[in-house]
Amino acid sequence: GAVVSQHPSRVICKSGTSVKIECRSLDFQATTMFWYRQFPKQSLMLMATSNEGSKATYEQGVEKDKFLINHASLTLSTLTVTSAHPEDSSFYICSARYEGRSTEAFFGQGTRLTVV
Amino acid sequence: AQSVAQPEDQVNVAEGNPLTVKCTYSVSGNPYLFWYVQYPNRGLQFLLKYITGDNLVKGSYGFEAEFNKSQTSFHLKKPSALVSDSALYFCAVRVLESGGSYIPTFGRGTSLIVHP
Repeated sequence: GAVVSQHPSRVICKSGTSVKIECRSLDFQATTMFWYRQFPKQSLMLMATSNEGSKATYEQGVEKDKFLINHASLTLSTLTVTSAHPEDSSFYICSARYEGRSTEAFFGQGTRLTVV
Repeated sequence: AQSVAQPEDQVNVAEGNPLTVKCTYSVSGNPYLFWYVQYPNRGLQFLLKYITGDNLVKGSYGFEAEFNKSQTSFHLKKPSALVSDSALYFCAVRVLESGGSYIPTFGRGTSLIVHP
């Protein structure tokens, strides 16, 4: 149980276009979802926290207009990278938690974004 | 505030030998402690956690970790390493008490390389 599915696993896009990444909790209702960004050989940087039905809370330094997060249902959150630039190329990981298992978070497989 | 330190960027060990990946933490309050493993281009997989109780926690794939409150450490161990254990390992911490942040803080990660 507690499976989080992230799609796509890899995406290549042209500079200036937008890319949407989906994060789904397959067998539980995710009250909270987190989006992380991971740079090579570095830890996970929390970008934002989203609760179902409300606006996401962004970490300091993360552009909310560039990284649009929507958590419209208890099983789906999306991250849209708008007007992508090469410096947005990174590995993006989502994770989810639910009230019954609040001690640990469950992670998606990650999405490798390459902007050319 | 909460923080995690993984002092080693890389740990090398021969297959069959015991391995240790170090982690120290700092929190205001009692900690939840976690270990996650990440394989290349994949999300994080949960290995084990400490909340309360026995200081020695057993987890997936034969891994275990020992909570040491006086040293504020939570080192990951395995008695006999396998080549397939080669991956990136993350230690994470968050505060136990209610009202504390439920968002874990991750260490920088330690790359474990097991040589045949």
